[in-house]
Amino acid sequence: GNSVTQMEGPVTLSEEAFLTINCTYTATGYPSLFWYVQYPGEGLQLLLKATKADDKGSNKGFEATYRKETTSFHLEKGSVQVSDSAVYFCALTREGGGADGLTFGKGTHLIIQP
Amino acid sequence: GAVVSQHPSRVICKSGTSVKIECRSLDFQATTMFWYRQFPKQSLMLMATSNEGSKATYEQGVEKDKFLINHASLTLSTLTVTSAHPEDSSFYICSARLVREQFFGPGTRLTVL
Repeated sequence: GNSVTQMEGPVTLSEEAFLTINCTYTATGYPSLFWYVQYPGEGLQLLLKATKADDKGSNKGFEATYRKETTSFHLEKGSVQVSDSAVYFCALTREGGGADGLTFGKGTHLIIQP
Repeated sequence: GAVVSQHPSRVICKSGTSVKIECRSLDFQATTMFWYRQFPKQSLMLMATSNEGSKATYEQGVEKDKFLINHASLTLSTLTVTSAHPEDSSFYICSARLVREQFFGPGTRLTVL
């Protein structure tokens, strides 16, 4: 079956540091890949997505590239802010476009210190 | 836009009782909604896909007679946990699909005593 593995947290960084959160997946076919963010007390929000190999999703300074050869979708940001503190989930769908239910990783709690 | 609400946000019930959780899409219509369950420090697990006007599709290992799903309108899906037991205590999250994206509710914390 499909599965998503992401680095365990919490990840603690200083403001303006470079961020990488690793995500690898196992899936059949051609899944779409997503990063969701959950701020304290709020529901999950889509951060970015990529629907085919070599696509790069980007939003709010975050980027992730769909790497089929390494089955990875690592999340990066060049300079994090305190407001980026949240839980980040890597996810995939069984088919392109989000029409299907999502398979999530366990989430990575990111803490940014001023 | 694309707001999804859940009610209640938290509920405590006695073992053996049933609890209903509502998921509403407030500003759009959703023919498909999803129900997820999240254990502490674990990922969200897809429980079922709820389709308006038809029976829900349950994931393997999810008891359909225990977790009753009704999607009676284009803006409302309900999850009823029947004869709840302490092991059903969890965080339940719904999402509603709009075009090619899912929008998530804030979740419902269920505690079964």
